[in-house]
Amino acid sequence: NAGVTQTPKFRVLKTGQSMTLLCAQDMNHEYMYWYRQDPGMGLRLIHYSVGEGTTAKGEVPDGYNVSRLKKQNFLLGLESAAPSQTSVYFCASSLRGGASYEQYFGPGTRLTVT
Amino acid sequence: GEDVEQSLFLSVREGDSSVINCTYTDSSSTYLYWYKQEPGAGLQLLTYIFSNMDMKQDQRLTVLLNKKDKHLSLRIADTQTGDSAIYFCAESPGGFKTIFGAGTRLFVKA
Repeated sequence: NAGVTQTPKFRVLKTGQSMTLLCAQDMNHEYMYWYRQDPGMGLRLIHYSVGEGTTAKGEVPDGYNVSRLKKQNFLLGLESAAPSQTSVYFCASSLRGGASYEQYFGPGTRLTVT
Repeated sequence: GEDVEQSLFLSVREGDSSVINCTYTDSSSTYLYWYKQEPGAGLQLLTYIFSNMDMKQDQRLTVLLNKKDKHLSLRIADTQTGDSAIYFCAESPGGFKTIFGAGTRLFVKA
């Protein structure tokens, strides 16, 4: 099993450009999450999904959109990138929701917006 | 509101014990976690403790929970250079939501 993979690993964007980050998991997990990690701060939840075809807003959803057309994939889109979106983005998945279900994390995507 | 706080840096010598501390705010959290992040990698669950426990030991790791003070600590015995990483404290106040601290960067000097 590859676990949770993310594409790309690094990206530099100019302000106003768009891009999509891809997350894939091969563990048949129902729940998937997108977080951002900024220096001196904990991970913050951007959007999440409780199953194929569903998405919901997390703590910091503005400026991002997501889609979960297939159970194994969770896409994070930036329609018009801003310097404030410079961050490391982590995708995670869990078998179910609930505190007893471990979240498995991908290796992250480092995004710089100039 | 919900918040998890931890110191940002800790430096220890190889062979010594490391103690990483954390405070949290939500007394209803049923699970408290420690995650480890190695360079260039995602977070990996290291250990967790139920809120009705005071202590949990797992090989070199000891987790202590003081519910009255909302204080969580992670002790790593016989710290090795391979333990150098960022350690995140996290709480789960309910449902699937997880609140993460900013992480403590552990430096282990040979």
